[in-house]
Formats: sequence, C-alpha cells, structure tokens
Amino acid sequence: SSELTQDPAVSVALGQTVRITCQGDSLRNYYASWYQQKPGQAPVLVIYDKNNRPSGIPDRFSGSSSGNTASLTITGAQAEDEADYYCNSRDSSGHHPVFGGGTKLTVL
Amino acid sequence: QVQLQESGPGLVKPSQALSLTCTVSGGSISSGSHFWSWIRQPAGKGLEWIGRIYTSGSTKYNPSLKSRVTISVDTSKNQFSLNLSSVTAADTAVYYCAREDGDFFGNWFDPWGQGTLVTVSS
Repeated sequence: SSELTQDPAVSVALGQTVRITCQGDSLRNYYASWYQQKPGQAPVLVIYDKNNRPSGIPDRFSGSSSGNTASLTITGAQAEDEADYYCNSRDSSGHHPVFGGGTKLTVL
Repeated sequence: QVQLQESGPGLVKPSQALSLTCTVSGGSISSGSHFWSWIRQPAGKGLEWIGRIYTSGSTKYNPSLKSRVTISVDTSKNQFSLNLSSVTAADTAVYYCAREDGDFFGNWFDPWGQGTLVTVSS
C-alpha cells in the first residue's frame, strides 16, 4: 500500500468546488505536488511546492496543506477537469518520491 | 521548451532485461539542477517512481526495485536510460521518463514523456 492515501473516487457538479485530499505522515514535513491524468495521456503537473501552478494551468486549481493532509481544490470545476488526480511527496525516510493511489474525479 | 521521448522494445520476455531510453530535446540535459527520473504505471493502476539520475551520474532508486534497476546518462546524446533486469509479468506497465525538480520542502515532475508500453510475455 502507498504511504500516501487518496480517496479512490470523488464527484462534483459542474461549476461547483471540489477538494481532493492526500494523507500521509511525510506531509507533516514535505509539500505535495499534484498531477492530472486523462485517459491515454501522460500525467500533467498542476500544483507544486504546496500551492504553485505551472504556466498554463488555470487558476481554479489551488493547493493547501494542514497537518498530515494535502489538498487540491478545484474552484468552479469544468467538464475538462474530469480526470485522475495523483499526489506526490516524499516517503517516510524523506529520501524517495512516492505517489498516492490516485483519485478519479467525475464532473456531473 | 524541454520535451522528453521514451523509446525501446514494447515486448520483453520473462527473465530478460527491459531497456528503455529517454531522449531530451529543447534543452541540454546538463543544464540546471535537475534530476531525470523513470516512473511506471501498470494498466488501470497508479504511478510508481522507479528511480532518478543526476547528470553527475549520481543515482537513487526505489528500494522495492533497487536490486534490479540501473539508470545511466549519456550527456553527449542528451539521453538517459533505464535497465530493469529479471522482468516478470508484474513489470508490464507504461513507462514514463520525467524531469524531476525539488527543494528542501518537496519534489515534482515536469515535464513528462508521452510514455511507452512495455509488455512482459513469452
């Protein structure tokens, strides 16, 4: 099992706000990065260093962290946001990257 | 902008070695303080970090794969490579290469290659 835990599936109504969470002890010391993956495509970085967005990522994507939980929030979800989302951080040793199991987001 | 492209055999026999190459274009693999990583994803499953290399040749591997993994770099060709020995069906996956950055507080992968499917089968 992964050292980072994500809910397998989350749904949101079009235009509403959704929070996707990632839990793990290492998140008390390290930030999470977040990736969006659509079917048949490579993952795309959407948030890094807790709450930084790469160029080209809409500002409806934001990140936050509290205790052992990191969150990705999509404010005003769009149909094109339907995808799998993965968190990434360090393992408990702090030496190796690990990924969460992924959350499938459905936009209703 | 930097782009990555994986290449290598799509079919490998059990017990043999899997070898893939990632070609970096749009920038020098030696510029900046970046790591270069391999990540894999079995069909319908999540992402697994395999390992990384720095252009100095320094490597770090996932402890669960460490005994079978070797990552190397050829700066003259702007490429880095993955060798995974003694493969089994459990190694069947889409293999991605990615540039890895980070600081004291965390790490991230961007950009990624498009991925290449490797099937282990006789």
